[in-house]
Amino acid sequence: NAGVMQNPRHLVRRRGQEARLRCSPMKGHSHVYWYRQLPEEGLKFMVYLQKENIIDESGMPKERFSAEFPKEGPSILRIQQVVRGDSAAYFCASSQGQGVTEAFFGQGTRLTVV
Amino acid sequence: RKEVEQDPGPFNVPEGATVAFNCTYSNSASQSFFWYRQDCRKEPKLLMSVYSSGNEDGRFTAQLNRASQYISLLIRDSKLSDSATYLCGQLTGGGNKLTFGTGTQLKVEL
Repeated sequence: NAGVMQNPRHLVRRRGQEARLRCSPMKGHSHVYWYRQLPEEGLKFMVYLQKENIIDESGMPKERFSAEFPKEGPSILRIQQVVRGDSAAYFCASSQGQGVTEAFFGQGTRLTVV
Repeated sequence: RKEVEQDPGPFNVPEGATVAFNCTYSNSASQSFFWYRQDCRKEPKLLMSVYSSGNEDGRFTAQLNRASQYISLLIRDSKLSDSATYLCGQLTGGGNKLTFGTGTQLKVEL
């Protein structure tokens, strides 16, 4: 029973490139959260999605960041034209959805912008 | 004011000690609460959900005080392996938004 799978685990991008981070939820889970964590800081909520629907994106930066969770395939967090300040660990968590609230995290993607 | 506030610590305690963390929240409509444990450079792992009646799992006890808007985590008989950062989380926004405090760092020493 695989847990939440994120890939890649480590991603290096040059300034101005695009970063795509993938998250496959646990089996039976249809909801995904994305978080950003800077060193020595807490988890910052970014977005909450269910398949084909963004439920809450109040934590997403207004520009360059987007997220999707298609009917088939993993959830994708996309960062366009990356800057050094985007360097962080990005975690996703999945849950069964409203009514069943426990969320389980993937191992994260560590993005480094050089 | 932050939605969820925690004392960052670190809490340095000897092995075998009892230690308690509190976490205050500002949204009285918060529906569910959780404690997660995060080891350095690892993902957060769910430790326990916090129910209105409180709950206990081995050496760990979590309690919710809605009147004062805080949750607590008590760890008895601390082990070296309990050293980690403990994050409290709350579910708000009609169950759509799971937000966390910045975490409390615990160091258990010999």
